[in-house]
Amino acid sequence: QVKLQQSGAELVKPGASVKLSCKTSGYTFSTSYMSWFKQIPGQSIEWIGMIYAGDGGTGYNQKFKGKATLTVDTSSSTAYMDLSSLTTEDSAVYFCAYTEGMGYFDYWGQGVMVTVSS
Amino acid sequence: DIVLTQSPALAVSLGQRATISCKTNQNVDYYGNSYMHWYQQKPGQQPKLLIYLASNLASGIPARFSGRGSGTDFTLTIDPVEADDTATYYCQQSRNLPWTFGGGTKLELK
Repeated sequence: QVKLQQSGAELVKPGASVKLSCKTSGYTFSTSYMSWFKQIPGQSIEWIGMIYAGDGGTGYNQKFKGKATLTVDTSSSTAYMDLSSLTTEDSAVYFCAYTEGMGYFDYWGQGVMVTVSS
Repeated sequence: DIVLTQSPALAVSLGQRATISCKTNQNVDYYGNSYMHWYQQKPGQQPKLLIYLASNLASGIPARFSGRGSGTDFTLTIDPVEADDTATYYCQQSRNLPWTFGGGTKLELK
């Protein structure tokens, strides 16, 4: 079955960067799209961007351009998201999710809490 | 960006019908499909897809859940409501990038 396993919680200092991972199994990663989302606890969900694993092509929400960088490693069926120049406003739960097309998300990672604090 | 508006909360009695609405500021229909989807999220969990393309039941979701609507007005109905349905429900559009979500409706039991 499809599984998306995200890396563990992160505590990072302001100004630092963090790289989150999303290891997948159960489907053909190399021809799929992966999206990433941000959710501040108690708030709604924001779409950060997506990456096509076939060629690494990306699309970003303008709000997150310069903040998030999406990459993939097809050899390990893993997607990554780099978050840079972190501030307290980046403290949130981040999810990866897989879409088979049409822009709805059947499969989600369990989420990872990123806390930015000195 | 397409803005999705949901009521913040809804209280319903067990066994009754819950109707959750989602209104968009732009039409999300395109070539015969309505690009509107619904998710359930419980505290500490990832969202779960309930309904896709406005009215299609996702795999493994009970038939108590249904969706309808087109254009700019959509509803998610739960009938009958069970205790396990207490959660926050989000609508999401994929008609235009960036894909956007509603603010969520928290379903509580009376």
